[in-house]
Amino acid sequence: GAVVSQHPSRVICKSGTSVKIECRSLDFQATTMFWYRQFPKQSLMLMATSNEGSKATYEQGVEKDKFLINHASLTLSTLTVTSAHPEDSSFYICSATRHGAGTDTQYFGPGTRLTVL
Amino acid sequence: TQLLEQSPQFLSIQEGENLTVYCNSSSVFSSLQWYRQEPGEGPVLLVTVVTGGEVKKLKRLTFQFGDARKDSSLHITAAQPGDTGLYLCAGVPNDYKLSFGAGTTVTVRA
Repeated sequence: GAVVSQHPSRVICKSGTSVKIECRSLDFQATTMFWYRQFPKQSLMLMATSNEGSKATYEQGVEKDKFLINHASLTLSTLTVTSAHPEDSSFYICSATRHGAGTDTQYFGPGTRLTVL
Repeated sequence: TQLLEQSPQFLSIQEGENLTVYCNSSSVFSSLQWYRQEPGEGPVLLVTVVTGGEVKKLKRLTFQFGDARKDSSLHITAAQPGDTGLYLCAGVPNDYKLSFGAGTTVTVRA
C-alpha cells in the first residue's frame, strides 16, 4: 500500500499559460502533502507543505501567488503553476504522509516533468 | 544552505567494485532516510535508521547511522549496473519536514 500518483507525468506548455498538476494518494488518506521541485542532477527542494482544508505553508523564496496549492480532500492536492515561464521548467514531485504513520514517513509520487517553451 | 552534506557528489565505478556514500550534518536527527532515484521518477525509500550506531543491511547495501545521530553512510558491495542512480539522504531535524542532502550520482559501468 501507500501509493501516490501524479498527473500528468509530462506537460509542455507555452510561456504565460497556467498548468495544474495533481497529486493523489491512491490507497490511503494523506494528512499532509508536500510539493518539491528538482532541477537536473540536483536534490529535491521543498516548495510547500499542504494540509487538507487549510492554506499551504510555503518555503522561503517560493512565490505563493505563482505556485497555487489546493488540498481539497485527504487524497488530493493540486499545484498550479500560474503564468509559467521557461525558468519554471523543472521536475515537480509530491509526497504524502499517511494518517497515523508518523510525519517523517513520506510516500513519493513519480513526478511531473514540466517544460515551458 | 542544506543541513545535510553528501559526498561525493558524483561517483563512477566499474561493476564489481565497492562504494561508499557519506551524509554528514552538524544537526542531530531523530531519524535519517536513504532514497534512490532513477531519472524521470520519484525517489524510492531504501531504509530508515533511527538508533544511534544502528547498522542495517539490505542485500548488498549496508547503512550506518552515527552514534551521535548526525551522520550516516551507505556502502554498496560488488556494485552492479542496476545500482546506478541518484542516492539521497534525508533527515527530520525538528519539525515534520524532510531535509534532503544534495545527492550522490552513482554510475556503475558494466
